[in-house]
Amino acid sequence: GEDVEQSLFLSVREGDSSVINCTYTDSSSTYLYWYKQEPGAGLQLLTYIFSNMDMKQDQRLTVLLNKKDKHLSLRIADTQTGDSAIYFCAELGVLGTPLVFGKGTRLSVIA
Amino acid sequence: SQTIHQWPATLVQPVGSPLSLECTVEGTSNPNLYWYRQAAGRGLQLLFYSVGIGQISSEVPQNLSASRPQDRQFILSSKKLLLSDSGFYLCAWNGRETQYFGPGTRLLVL
Repeated sequence: GEDVEQSLFLSVREGDSSVINCTYTDSSSTYLYWYKQEPGAGLQLLTYIFSNMDMKQDQRLTVLLNKKDKHLSLRIADTQTGDSAIYFCAELGVLGTPLVFGKGTRLSVIA
Repeated sequence: SQTIHQWPATLVQPVGSPLSLECTVEGTSNPNLYWYRQAAGRGLQLLFYSVGIGQISSEVPQNLSASRPQDRQFILSSKKLLLSDSGFYLCAWNGRETQYFGPGTRLLVL
């Protein structure tokens, strides 16, 4: 079956770049997503990328997709304390079916 | 624009009591709707999803059930809560490409 894997923890210093990595197994993925969850809140869609793209940039966020290796990453430039949260990677196979989520990476930003 | 509501925001219930959590979506029609549970601030477990009124797919067998009485209403229920039902319950909807989440209901079963 489909599977999405992420490392559980990442710690960075304020002002540095953060890179959160994700691997997936479904070769027929159509879209890949990054969600952010702050404490006690629901999941906020940060960005997503279509599977025929290899990069997407949105302000401080850069998403890189290596479809051959089934590897997705999220780079946060100039990481701030407000970026501390859990980041979930997710992939979509067939449109209209449920997303498959990773277990989330807890990003801690040290001032 | 689309909005998703969940209530209550927080709930404390005794073991063996019933449960009803509600999710409603505004600004869209015929959405796919989902219930997830998140335990201990970690991964998401898909519980149910619905592609239309009265159509429910169950992902995990347990003492919970879901219903979709109206196009934009999704209800999660239980007749008798267990301690293990404690967690953060998230409702979500998706259009064609993206999935959006509600604010969640935190349930504590004592």
